[in-house]
Amino acid sequence: KAGVTQTPRYLIKTRGQQVTLSCSPISGHRSVSWYQQTPGQGLQFLFEYFSETQRNKGNFPGRFSGRQFSNSRSEMNVSTLELGDSALYLCASSLDTGAQETQYFGPGTRLLVL
Amino acid sequence: AQSVSQHNHHVILSEAASLELGCNYSYGGTVNLFWYVQYPGQHLQLLLKYFSGDPLVKGIKGFEAEFIKSKFSFNLRKPSVQWSDTAEYFCAVNAACTASKLTFGTGTRLQVTL
Repeated sequence: KAGVTQTPRYLIKTRGQQVTLSCSPISGHRSVSWYQQTPGQGLQFLFEYFSETQRNKGNFPGRFSGRQFSNSRSEMNVSTLELGDSALYLCASSLDTGAQETQYFGPGTRLLVL
Repeated sequence: AQSVSQHNHHVILSEAASLELGCNYSYGGTVNLFWYVQYPGQHLQLLLKYFSGDPLVKGIKGFEAEFIKSKFSFNLRKPSVQWSDTAEYFCAVNAACTASKLTFGTGTRLQVTL
């Protein structure tokens, strides 16, 4: 079974631009979560989507948004990019079977903001 | 809100040495516990997980972890490390009521020397 895939793998943008990242979950997984990984802050939860609805949200500004499509694929958008948005953005998927969930991670998209 | 502490930031061991990485969490309710590993240049992979039952769980590659509820700890162990275990190790927790939202520790970088 194919793992979580993320595109693109690398991105370079300049301040003020916006960016869209894509994530395809493992086949059959209905929940998709997004995380930001930086050297200073570590891994931080951004948000989670299930059945095309945002179900959980972390403590990030409104510039960070996402959506999920009917096939469970998800996109994440960051508007008005800032230098501090440079990070590895990880997507994780899970089956959503209830309280005992295991998330499986993709390789990430490395975003550099200049 | 839950939090996770990993007290060892950087550990250097010789091959065949025993490993124990500490992980403590803060949360009053029911939690699920995980250890993930990130090998150089690779994505986060699940090492092992604890949901309930036997507090000693075994994972891949000879790793195990013990959940001690009274100490809010979930330490990772391996009797004899190999050079290929060089990686960054992350402890993570989620509350059963928000199972899709993982809270990660800051990670421990393990370097195994020959």
